[in-house]
Amino acid sequence: AQSVTQLGSHVSVSEGALVLLRCNYSSSVPPYLFWYVQYPNQGLQLLLKYTTGATLVKGINGFEAEFKKSETSFHLTKPSAHMSDAAEYFCAVNTGGFKTIFGAGTRLFVKA
Amino acid sequence: GAGVSQSPSNKVTEKGKDVELRCDPISGHTALYWYRQSLGQGLEFLIYFQGNSAPDKSGLPSDRFSAERTGGSVSTLTIQRTQQEDSAVYLCASSPNRATTDGYTFGSGTRLTVV
Repeated sequence: AQSVTQLGSHVSVSEGALVLLRCNYSSSVPPYLFWYVQYPNQGLQLLLKYTTGATLVKGINGFEAEFKKSETSFHLTKPSAHMSDAAEYFCAVNTGGFKTIFGAGTRLFVKA
Repeated sequence: GAGVSQSPSNKVTEKGKDVELRCDPISGHTALYWYRQSLGQGLEFLIYFQGNSAPDKSGLPSDRFSAERTGGSVSTLTIQRTQQEDSAVYLCASSPNRATTDGYTFGSGTRLTVV
């Protein structure tokens, strides 16, 4: 069975600092991996995805993530945090079926 | 439409009442999903529709929950005899087809509060 673990329900960084949100997955077959962002009172918006090919994927708003099969990880990073990045971030995995499994989410706080 | 539309955005209901939540997916998207988001938790899969095929209801938490999709477009999630534990944000998402590499487009959700 597939599963997703996001390490840290809350992460706080200073504006301009590196953002690192951790995601580990469990899957018996090659996974499709996604990061979504949710702003207050809104639905989830796709940030980036890994399906096949290059393991470093770039998304919107300067975010990127690297698929590391040996570590079963798909951590999300951004070199310099902006106040507008404050939101909740969800990692998700799909193994080719119709159901996508979502992590519990990590709320990112950005301090001025 | 341009995006996934859900209504109402907020719903407060008394325990024991029935509620209906509506989702209007992106035009042409054949796959439609309902998820439930409870405070501090991730998204819980509820039900999946693909075109005119029979839906996968494996995530519905009890027989008080049901959903239908008319004409392969609009979907309604119905909760009968609501309980306080049903309080959550109900999110609808759609995707162009069954292919899972596209990711989902989500609506803004319906926040349900059962008092």
